[in-house]
Amino acid sequence: KNEVEQSPQNLTAQEGEFITINCSYSVGISALHWLQQHPGGGIVSLFMLSSGKKKHGRLIATINIQEKHSSLHITASHPRDSAVYICAAVTGNQFYFGTGTSLTVIP
Amino acid sequence: DTGVSQNPRHKITKRGQNVTFRCDPISEHNRLYWYRQTLGQGPEFLTYFQNEAQLEKSRLLSDRFSAERPKGSFSTLEIQRTEQGDSAMYLCASSLLIGEKLFFGSGTQLSVL
Repeated sequence: KNEVEQSPQNLTAQEGEFITINCSYSVGISALHWLQQHPGGGIVSLFMLSSGKKKHGRLIATINIQEKHSSLHITASHPRDSAVYICAAVTGNQFYFGTGTSLTVIP
Repeated sequence: DTGVSQNPRHKITKRGQNVTFRCDPISEHNRLYWYRQTLGQGPEFLTYFQNEAQLEKSRLLSDRFSAERPKGSFSTLEIQRTEQGDSAMYLCASSLLIGEKLFFGSGTQLSVL
């Protein structure tokens, strides 16, 4: 079993839809990261969370430490949001990565 | 460009050859990570440096893999006697503090023929 599980694995949405990607983890963490990976491999860090909620533009990330669960929300989705979204749990010196959620936003 | 730089971007090699990749982290970042990613999977941790000290090494890393970070600046990852199963994207990332925001390089795509 992976330390970090993401769902769904694949997601297709119409432009403008509200999107939620979920991440559950089994290890005790000091922080959780949400990353965005575009085709070609480039990875960009979106958020680092240790509690509560963070917002950046149309992106919102929440974390519930007690439930060991985090969500990434995208409001008013756009085709340029199409990418793989990866959550990573930080424990000690290690990052445990989920396998990613592949999002496709159709115009 | 002040981001994380990796070279080469692509490497094609024959099985049994040695390869070396280089990562130049963001200059003030003292933490440097190497990851491996195969298609459809999230990155897998390989090894981690704090300054020049290699603090952790994944059990995934066989004796054919070695990494160095002399002087706590750039890092190299060497794979000896490459095997087809080594084909993957090798990613480097750096951060200023433990658990803080990671900055990734573009990766080195290794293909072992």
